[in-house]
Amino acid sequence: GAGVSQSPRYKVAKRGQDVALRCDPISGHVSLFWYQQALGQGPEFLTYFQNEAQLDKSGLPSDRFFAERPEGSVSTLKIQRTQQEDSAVYLCASSLGPGQGKVGEQFFGPGTRLTVL
Amino acid sequence: AQRVTQPEKLLSVFKGAPVELKCNYSYSGSPELFWYVQYSRQRLQLLLRHISRESIKGFTADLNKGETSFHLKKPFAQEEDSAMYYCALLTSGSRLTFGEGTQLTVNP
Repeated sequence: GAGVSQSPRYKVAKRGQDVALRCDPISGHVSLFWYQQALGQGPEFLTYFQNEAQLDKSGLPSDRFFAERPEGSVSTLKIQRTQQEDSAVYLCASSLGPGQGKVGEQFFGPGTRLTVL
Repeated sequence: AQRVTQPEKLLSVFKGAPVELKCNYSYSGSPELFWYVQYSRQRLQLLLRHISRESIKGFTADLNKGETSFHLKKPFAQEEDSAMYYCALLTSGSRLTFGEGTQLTVNP
């Protein structure tokens, strides 16, 4: 079946521009996660949704970062006034939800590579 | 605070040789640990979980709470094992804390 999809796959932004990154999770997956992966580093947690509720946003690096999942399916990560340090791959992952499936198993999308000039 | 450390960024072995990818963690709670793998031009995917005590593609990993380690091992490496490997710790809620990763290259 279809896996997690993300769009766009690549995004180049000028410093100061706003960007929006989209994630389509696997159908029926309750949990959705956003991670940021800088070059040469492991993924770092940004935020977590259970259905439409944002249960954890402690990883968002600044108030320029905002995520939403209004209908409990598609999610958008928005970055306002982008800075060069925002350049990274942004990964989205989904899972069945608490108490379902294999604990800790998250299904990852291909990522969006953001380059801020 | 939780932390996962993978001391080797790069690891190179010959086909048929044993391989061990090191992972150490720091966590005040009861740890649940995982290995994720990313093959070239593919997505990050789960390889194995410590709680299931399974062997996947010949890989095993044992949780050693005394040494706070979760090293990944395979007795005979294959060329198709070449990939980036990430150790991960499940922390509050369902979030994963990843290490920096180890790029494994298996030479013919």
